[in-house]
Amino acid sequence: GENVEQHPSTLSVQEGDSAVIKCTYSDSASNYFPWYKQELGKRPQLIIDIRSNVGEKKDQRIAVTLNKTAKHFSLHITETQPEDSAVYFCAARGILSGGYNKLIFGAGTRLAVHP
Amino acid sequence: DTEVTQTPKHLVMGMTNKKSLKCEQHMGHRAMYWYKQKAKKPPELMFVYSYEKLSINESVPSRFSPECPNSSLLNLHLHALQPEDSALYLCASSRPQGVAGTEAFFGQGTRLTVV
Repeated sequence: GENVEQHPSTLSVQEGDSAVIKCTYSDSASNYFPWYKQELGKRPQLIIDIRSNVGEKKDQRIAVTLNKTAKHFSLHITETQPEDSAVYFCAARGILSGGYNKLIFGAGTRLAVHP
Repeated sequence: DTEVTQTPKHLVMGMTNKKSLKCEQHMGHRAMYWYKQKAKKPPELMFVYSYEKLSINESVPSRFSPECPNSSLLNLHLHALQPEDSALYLCASSRPQGVAGTEAFFGQGTRLTVV
């Protein structure tokens, strides 16, 4: 079945450093790749997404890259701040018969940004 | 309005109780989802409704019964739950696949404890 692998499971950086989280997906028909940030006790919040017809997308300090051939996509956070500390989930939208929308999540990366 | 509202925020129920979780959105989204999230794990899909019809049931036990009364509301009826069903239950909504802008928005979740 569809699968999304995410690495690393934990990531610790100093404030101001960059953080990179990587995901691979198994379903070559996947065409939509969102990233969610989840703070403790709160809902997952969409921070950035990318569609399969785009290779890179940037929003201020956050960028996502997609390599469709290798089925890899990555989240890049520059100039990290303590408030970036959270669990980050990547996801891929699986294509099902009938066109139904099913997101498959990676296992998550716990990012800690130390002042 | 980009909110998905879930009630209640917290719920404690006994194994013989019947309770319901509620979810509401007014973004005109025609796909709605229930996810279950255990601590330190990614959200796990339970059900998908598309145009008020159940389109995906991820082999969820019958003690969980979803209902979609109209395009804005989604319920999850609970009966005879087990302690291992304790988790954060997240509702989400999106435009159905095939329509531009298919990002999924999550509600704050209901933290369920079964005693």
